[in-house]
Amino acid sequence: AQSVAQPEDQVNVAEGNPLTVKCTYSVSGNPYLFWYVQYPNRGLKFLLKYITGDNLVKGSYGFEAEFNKSQTSFHLKKPSALVSDSALYFCAVRPPYNQGGKLIFGQGTELSVKP
Amino acid sequence: NAGVTQTPKFQVLKTGQSMTLQCAQDMNHNSMYWYRQDPGMGLRLIYYSASEGTTDKGEVPNGYNVSRLNKREFSLRLESAAPSQTSVYFCASTSGTGDADTQYFGPGTRLTVL
Repeated sequence: AQSVAQPEDQVNVAEGNPLTVKCTYSVSGNPYLFWYVQYPNRGLKFLLKYITGDNLVKGSYGFEAEFNKSQTSFHLKKPSALVSDSALYFCAVRPPYNQGGKLIFGQGTELSVKP
Repeated sequence: NAGVTQTPKFQVLKTGQSMTLQCAQDMNHNSMYWYRQDPGMGLRLIYYSASEGTTDKGEVPNGYNVSRLNKREFSLRLESAAPSQTSVYFCASTSGTGDADTQYFGPGTRLTVL
């Protein structure tokens, strides 16, 4: 079965430190990969996506993600965390040949950045 | 451009009551989706509409029905609400013209079934 895993329910980081939120996937073929962020009581906001090409993808608010095909991972990173980055982060995968553009979401990782 | 809008924002129902969640988008998107979000489970697809006039089941369709009223609007109906349907419901849309289209989400409807 196709799936997405975010192995950490919560990540705690001090402001100014680098952050990583992990994502691995189990999908056959070459999927499209997405990261979304959700602030409290809000909908999901698109951060970035990987389609093809350079394994390092840059997105909104200084976030980037690294695609690793051999490890089937798509980890979200930021060089210097801000308190305002505290939110719930979702990794999502769109399998190839997917009718209707459906996404498979991970369970989410709560990022907490302390001053 | 309002993007994706949802009504209502909050709703409390008693078991057995029915209701319809409304979703509209003003981005001329072809595809629309309904998800539910439960703690620790991420977002799960309930139903989707790849284009106007079509609807298909997602991962968790039981207890729900949908209507793609026109290109802009996609509603979700609970015919007989159950406590297990207590959740936050999100509508999303995408242009549907490319494989790597981004989905855009509404603000959500928080539903409690007593």
